[in-house]
Amino acid sequence: EPEVTQTPSHQVTQMGQEVILRCVPISNHLYFYWYRQILGQKVEFLVSFYNNEISEKSEIFDDQFSVERPDGSNFTLKIRSTKLEDSAMYFCASSSPRDSYNEKLFFGSGTQLSVL
Amino acid sequence: EDKVVQSPLSLVVHEGDTVTLNCSYEVTNFRSLLWYKQEKKAPTFLFMLTSSGIEKKSGRLSSILDKKELFSILNITATQTGDSAIYLCAVSPQGGSEKLVFGKGTKLTVNP
Repeated sequence: EPEVTQTPSHQVTQMGQEVILRCVPISNHLYFYWYRQILGQKVEFLVSFYNNEISEKSEIFDDQFSVERPDGSNFTLKIRSTKLEDSAMYFCASSSPRDSYNEKLFFGSGTQLSVL
Repeated sequence: EDKVVQSPLSLVVHEGDTVTLNCSYEVTNFRSLLWYKQEKKAPTFLFMLTSSGIEKKSGRLSSILDKKELFSILNITATQTGDSAIYLCAVSPQGGSEKLVFGKGTKLTVNP
């Protein structure tokens, strides 16, 4: 079964450093997302991406965050200057609009980001 | 503010028991409700519900939505240790929005 893959599985960084989290969505999907889950808290929406542009973003997704689809397969999340509170599990997801709705998201295994 | 509340937050049962997990929601312009199972990391899709009263079933798992009372239940019959996981409920709040709003989840532990 096709799956969303994310790399790395763990990332440790120093506060103020830039990190790039990478994702390869399912190949025929058109909608891409980033969610995060701080330990013990809810899964939270960050951003959705469609047709090579951001289609929606949350209040969390401020100027320190950016997303990119640099080629036909990868989808990246960049955090420019990490803060301690950015420590979380970051999930990439993708979906297909083949059905009437595109909410049926397929999630990757996540990148655990630890900011020290 | 859109809100999804799941109960109970945790549940411990023995193999063979039947469990019912609850999800209530308050969202604008509801479109769909989804259930996910999160074992170690990635949430995996279980069900998507859009219409009231129509039960979705997959093996020992089933789910139903009540759009009038704004809740959904997820039933698991004859539980097995492999059902141990966090079960997440999420709703799609607006016709033009693509985000999912998640609840905190119910942590289910099935003991042998």
